[in-house]
Amino acid sequence: SAVISQKPSRDICQRGTSLTIQCQVDSQVTMMFWYRQQPGQSLTLIATANQGSEATYESGFVIDKFPISRPNLTFSTLTVSNMSPEDSSIYLCSAGSGSGWDTQYFGPGTRLTVL
Amino acid sequence: QKEVEQNSGPLSVPEGAIASLNCTYSDRGSQSFFWYRQYSGKSPELIMSIYSNGDKEDGRFTAQLNKASQYVSLLIRDSQPSDSATYLCAVGVYGGSQGNLIFGKGTKLSVKP
Repeated sequence: SAVISQKPSRDICQRGTSLTIQCQVDSQVTMMFWYRQQPGQSLTLIATANQGSEATYESGFVIDKFPISRPNLTFSTLTVSNMSPEDSSIYLCSAGSGSGWDTQYFGPGTRLTVL
Repeated sequence: QKEVEQNSGPLSVPEGAIASLNCTYSDRGSQSFFWYRQYSGKSPELIMSIYSNGDKEDGRFTAQLNKASQYVSLLIRDSQPSDSATYLCAVGVYGGSQGNLIFGKGTKLSVKP
């Protein structure tokens, strides 16, 4: 299984600012994903981070709000732009070596609070 | 819309009992199924994956899949207080060339000493 780290582990940000979350995997992986988990809720997929091309966003999520980079097979970033209190959530990175419908392993998450 | 349904619980069982967690899904074409455990304040941790109809056992955990009924379950034998967590059912769905997992809302399990 892949070992995944995320930075920062938590942050408190002001409304209108942006935060970039980093995700690092200890081995090359085919697939990397970004999820959001709001308090008491399940995981909602934001986007699939594609290496060398634009991310694939799920319904309700747009690139201007959540720009994603994936420069290589072990690293990805998610930026939460122009934040509002509604963006307060846990953001999780996951990775897998198979297809998108195969096993995924999760990073420890980033707990974001927007004031 | 593709959905995964779970009872939110809480499901409370005494220590040493069998805990039974259930999940139904809407996409009849799904071929991959997963159970994750999530402790409070932590990220999801993979417990089991299952791809074929029937049972799959791993230690105290047994996953059961019935594709005809679109039903997957997780049995935890000899439940321990350390099993107290939220259990997430995830189903792999095909989407274009990539696919992704859809997660249920989770069942909160409490094992009482």
